[in-house]
Amino acid sequence: DQQVKQNSPSLSVQEGRISILNCDYTNSMFDYFLWYKKYPAEGPTFLISISSIKDKNEDGRFTVFLNKSAKHLSLHIVPSQPGDSAVYFCAASEGNFGNEKLTFGTGTRLTIIP
Amino acid sequence: SQTIHQWPATLVQPVGSPLSLECTVEGTSNPNLYWYRQAAGRGLQLLFYSVGIGQISSEVPQNLSASRPQDRQFILSSKKLLLSDSGFYLCAWSVYWTGPKGTEAFFGQGTRLTVV
Repeated sequence: DQQVKQNSPSLSVQEGRISILNCDYTNSMFDYFLWYKKYPAEGPTFLISISSIKDKNEDGRFTVFLNKSAKHLSLHIVPSQPGDSAVYFCAASEGNFGNEKLTFGTGTRLTIIP
Repeated sequence: SQTIHQWPATLVQPVGSPLSLECTVEGTSNPNLYWYRQAAGRGLQLLFYSVGIGQISSEVPQNLSASRPQDRQFILSSKKLLLSDSGFYLCAWSVYWTGPKGTEAFFGQGTRLTVV
């Protein structure tokens, strides 16, 4: 049972345009959502997060939007740069100290076309 | 500062052979530790997590086992590897923030395991 889903395995975007990566979840107990970026043969690194009490969080070129009623979140990258080419994972946790597992989605491979 | 070490970086093993992957964390005490596997088309799958020495929770039934003999050491093992065990294995530790992140996980560099 995949509790966090990323339905687009890949996405190609022209450099300078906006990249939009989507994520859906089924567990209504999730309170925190994170995006991780992963380059080949490396571990994922944290990118940006949002808690369920917010609907938007912005950090430079990266913005995460959360629609809790739809159980959907998205990551916007604008403007997209070649260095953004990587696999992006959406992750979620229930946010309770002592129940701290992160559940990851299947990932979306983003390719920025110069 | 905290660091996480995972080795080896790559491993090629024959079917039926044993496996031992090791992970150690420095700069923190009593961390929550995790083993994830990235397999083609399946994202990051949580295999095991541990909240303390000797405490292991298994998330999926599989051919693998995990042990935590010391506070900052986490080992992934198998007695007999299967072809389907091939994948990219990642060790991680986590910290819980009371701010907007909740749980944040920090990953090792990963081990590429190929079972032949």
